[in-house]
Amino acid sequence: NAGVTQTPKFQVLKTGQSMTLQCAQDMNHEYMSWYRQDPGMGLRLIHYSVGAGITDQGEVPNGYNVSRSTTEDFPLRLLSAAPSQTSVYFCASSREGRGPYEQYFGPGTRLTVT
Amino acid sequence: KQEVTQIPAALSVPEGENLVLNCSFTDSAIYNLQWFRQDPGKGLTSLLLIQSSQREQTSGRLNASLDKSSGRSTLYIAASQPGDSATYLCAVKEGPGNQFYFGTGTSLTVIP
Repeated sequence: NAGVTQTPKFQVLKTGQSMTLQCAQDMNHEYMSWYRQDPGMGLRLIHYSVGAGITDQGEVPNGYNVSRSTTEDFPLRLLSAAPSQTSVYFCASSREGRGPYEQYFGPGTRLTVT
Repeated sequence: KQEVTQIPAALSVPEGENLVLNCSFTDSAIYNLQWFRQDPGKGLTSLLLIQSSQREQTSGRLNASLDKSSGRSTLYIAASQPGDSATYLCAVKEGPGNQFYFGTGTSLTVIP
C-alpha cells in the first residue's frame, strides 16, 4: 500500500491564483481530512469527509473548497490564494470517522503565496 | 473548544536517558488520544492510540499513559537514541465523529 499520497510537494503561487492540492489513499478509508500546519499553532482542520459525496467544514474552512467524488480522492482547492494561506498542508485518512481508528497522514504540501 | 498544550516546547537529552513528554487538554470528555512523531519536512507518523477507556498503551520503548480526570497524557521514551530526535505531537478526539485537536508539539533532540 502507498498509504496517503499528496501532490505536489512544493508549490509557489501568486496572490489571487487558484490551484488544487491532490490527496489520495489506497486503504479504502471512509474518513479523509485536510489540515494546515503553521508555526506555533499546531495542526488545524480545514475540511473533512466521512465518505464519498459527503463533506463538512472544520475549524478554518474559509478560502478552501473540497469535494469527494470517490473513496480514494479528496482534493483541496484554493479559490483565490492569499499570503495568509502560506502553510504546510496535510491530508489524513482513517478507517472511519466514528470509531477508535488511527489517522494516517500524507507527507504534506508546502505552499508559499507571494 | 478543546485546547491541547504540550510543555516543554523543546527538550534536549543525552543518549540513553529515559524521558517523559507531557500533553494536557482542557476538556476531559475525550474519545481517544493519539501520539505522533514528525520528522523535519515530513508528515506525521502514528506512534500510539489510547482509547478513553484505557490507561496506557505500549509499543517497544514507548509507553503512553492517559489520565482523563486530570486532563493529561504522558509519552515515556526509554533508553533514548539519536534516531528518536523529532517533534512529538499529541492529538485528542472529543467524540466518535469529531475532529482531532492537536498540540503544538515538543521538539526532542537526543545528543549522541
